[in-house]
Amino acid sequence: LAKTTQPISMDSYEGQEVNITCSHNNIATNDYITWYQQFPSQGPRFIIQGYKTKVTNEVASLFIPADRKSSTLSLPRVSLSDTAVYYCLVGDWGTGRRALTFGSGTRLQVQP
Amino acid sequence: GAVVSQHPSRVICKSGTSVKIECRSLDFQATTMFWYRQFPKQSLMLMATSNEGSKATYEQGVEKDKFLINHASLTLSTLTVTSAHPEDSSFYICSASLMGSYEQYFGPGTRLTVT
Repeated sequence: LAKTTQPISMDSYEGQEVNITCSHNNIATNDYITWYQQFPSQGPRFIIQGYKTKVTNEVASLFIPADRKSSTLSLPRVSLSDTAVYYCLVGDWGTGRRALTFGSGTRLQVQP
Repeated sequence: GAVVSQHPSRVICKSGTSVKIECRSLDFQATTMFWYRQFPKQSLMLMATSNEGSKATYEQGVEKDKFLINHASLTLSTLTVTSAHPEDSSFYICSASLMGSYEQYFGPGTRLTVT
């Protein structure tokens, strides 16, 4: 599985856009990029997944450049409730039989 | 969407006793479930992969005789921490995925405290 590197922590203010970048230089052809969010004492929650270019859903956007060696999670207009740890994961889980390998994650702190 | 539940959500036990944690996929069948452990302010660490009807596969460093995993049906996997010690105190999380899906669904976690 490709190793991922993300900033340990980030600070932001309510209403700002937050971009968290993850590098994954060894990503394989079949690998997808997935982001999870985790609040304290809760299980991780799926945010978004992509393979290339840009993916957008109701909560976030995911930007993936052509070489796919990095990806950026974009959270528009964050609120206090977006304070959490965000994990970037890379892998091929199409069969559903492979576990996710979590890196250190990025601890986002949103302040009023 | 797919929901995974865990029971109990929180448990306190005395050192030397055993504790069973249940993980259920409520609205889908999961041939494979995963068990993770998370210590405070640390990331999730995979403990074992649980396959329905067969023995679990444990990660290196995880004692299979201490952490007993049973996956008796397509909707239930259990983790039993045997002869628990204070160092086993942690947050235990299970996950499951739909066959052919890239998305894994996580349970809410179980906070185990061993006194």
